[in-house]
Amino acid sequence: GAVVSQHPSRVICKSGTSVKIECRSLDFQATTMFWYRQFPKKSLMLMATSNEGSKATYEQGVEKDKFLINHASLTLSTLTVTSAHPEDSSFYICSARGPGGHTEAFFGQGTRLTVV
Amino acid sequence: GQNIDQPTEMTATEGAIVQINCTYQTSGFNGLFWYQQHAGEAPTFLSYNVLDGLEEKGRFSSFLSRSKGYSYLLLKELQMKDSASYLCAVMDSNYQLIWGAGTKLIIKP
Repeated sequence: GAVVSQHPSRVICKSGTSVKIECRSLDFQATTMFWYRQFPKKSLMLMATSNEGSKATYEQGVEKDKFLINHASLTLSTLTVTSAHPEDSSFYICSARGPGGHTEAFFGQGTRLTVV
Repeated sequence: GQNIDQPTEMTATEGAIVQINCTYQTSGFNGLFWYQQHAGEAPTFLSYNVLDGLEEKGRFSSFLSRSKGYSYLLLKELQMKDSASYLCAVMDSNYQLIWGAGTKLIIKP
């Protein structure tokens, strides 16, 4: 299957700082990328959907000024957690989908964010 | 509203067979996916069903009945490495994935 690379896999940051997470599709053009957050023993919670070249669509309850998403090219989307707080500590996962609605979404490896 | 139901946890024995069920109610249907997720890792794709019937892929098979809003994932010849969470997801009419909460499968020797 297609490869989606997410970086970093783990990051520890101080409260109040910002953290950027990158999601790259390595061998296909990702017209749509999704960002999820997952709490322990919980399913994936969709945070936002981004289409290349346009603003991300955020799910209800997700602060767009806190979780900045940029999808500047067909192979790269970034999620920036601004002014991080301990409650932002979580597992963040991106997935990417190519053109056409019936294609599966391929997942990045996930990023474990710990805010201390 | 949209809803995906699957059991929270199941236990099975190494070498045996287990069936994980998933029922759904969604706004439209454009396919059902099964993903495997090991603790601390991202999900990995297992199967995709869009037509009724059984899709077999090695030790794993997935079944779909659209009229019943029902799917199952069948795992044969269970191995210890199959201990993981199994996520059922349905693609709705807007091509968005609606996720179930996942079924934690525990394999015992």
